[in-house]
Amino acid sequence: DAGVIQSPRHEVTEMGQEVTLRCKPISGHDYLFWYRQTMMRGLELLIYFNNNVPIDDSGMPEDRFSAKMPNASFSTLKIQPSEPRDSAVYFCASSRGTEHNEQFFGPGTRLTVL
Amino acid sequence: AQKITQTQPGMFVQEKEAVTLDCTYDTSDPSYGLFWYKQPSSGEMIFLIYQGSYDQQNATEGRYSLNFQKARKSANLVISASQLGDSAMYFCAMRESANAGKSTFGDGTTLTVKP
Repeated sequence: DAGVIQSPRHEVTEMGQEVTLRCKPISGHDYLFWYRQTMMRGLELLIYFNNNVPIDDSGMPEDRFSAKMPNASFSTLKIQPSEPRDSAVYFCASSRGTEHNEQFFGPGTRLTVL
Repeated sequence: AQKITQTQPGMFVQEKEAVTLDCTYDTSDPSYGLFWYKQPSSGEMIFLIYQGSYDQQNATEGRYSLNFQKARKSANLVISASQLGDSAMYFCAMRESANAGKSTFGDGTTLTVKP
């Protein structure tokens, strides 16, 4: 398997622009997670899905952030409008859905908002 | 309250020596999993080792072992014979059966291996 795939790997944009991050989970995994990592705040869970349904979005910072999972093999995280404080590494991860299963992380998208 | 606590922001170890990274957890769920991940400077998150709450023996994976003390709610990672490539951030995480979808991560420990 190719592992979790994220695109783009790097994104540089200007404040106010819309940013869309993409993720393809590992086939057969029923959970998908979006995380954000910064030096100041560490690793934060933004939202996670089970069988394409959002389960917990309490970590989404504000209404500028939205996430979708239209099918089992694709998810997006959108920021509109973007702000400099959104600059971070965004990870997508997937797993099978029991307490015994590890998460498999994608390589991350490094977002810089100027 | 913090569900996963890693009290060592940074650790140093001499090459070829063993090192223990601490992790304590808090849960009332009888069934849970504990995980350690490694994040080198290149940024990827790598799964290292897993321990189930009902496992009688400590988990081992090569040079990694997990010192699981259930009554003390601790799940320390032991790295034997440290190598320069072990220098990285290490995260402890937990998944509970009542909320199996969600992993709770600690703040991480940065390990530096000295030559």
